[in-house]
Amino acid sequence: DVKVTQSSRYLVKRTGEKVFLECVQDMDHENMFWYRQDPGLGLRLIYFSYDVKMKEKGDIPEGYSVSREKKERFSLILESASTNQTSMYLCASSKTGEGYGYTFGSGTRLTVV
Amino acid sequence: RKEVEQDPGPFNVPEGATVAFNCTYSNSASQSFFWYRQDCRKEPKLLMSVYSSGNEDGRFTAQLNRASQYISLLIRDSKLSDSATYLCAVTSNTGGFKTIFGAGTRLFVKA
Repeated sequence: DVKVTQSSRYLVKRTGEKVFLECVQDMDHENMFWYRQDPGLGLRLIYFSYDVKMKEKGDIPEGYSVSREKKERFSLILESASTNQTSMYLCASSKTGEGYGYTFGSGTRLTVV
Repeated sequence: RKEVEQDPGPFNVPEGATVAFNCTYSNSASQSFFWYRQDCRKEPKLLMSVYSSGNEDGRFTAQLNRASQYISLLIRDSKLSDSATYLCAVTSNTGGFKTIFGAGTRLFVKA
């Protein structure tokens, strides 16, 4: 069964900490994405990547960075966690081309205290 | 104006009912369209892609109206297990090939 795996289901971090969220996919997909999902705001794109070592800013990149050193792995980094980054973080991957939907990981619920 | 808009609902329907959701998008250059289903505290899962000619998968029918810039999802003979949030998603090549999601429509199917 093809999968997108996120390293943690729940995380609690302190304000100011550096936080790493890991995502691995086993489908050989070119594209990977990080979203956050908040009640009433839906899914918002943070960063995405079309290829190894390549990254593009999404709609809300401030306070985040990403790393894609290998095709299967896409990491989201919160440089200095803040309480307004408390959210559900969802990683997704897809093949390149029209008509290909996303496969999502099960999400990481991050709480910053 | 949001790029992709949905009626948040909730829609409360009895089993066996037919229910329809609409989703409007603002970018006329949008290229691909999808419906996702998201259960409570779970990740979204692709329900179906939406093609220009319309497409059907069992009890589910999706349609695209490019002229009016909306997509729709029709669920016939609703089941209790259809209760979920339905997200529409639109992909465009403006500012990078990326997908924008609607905030979702909640559906409750009751016995």
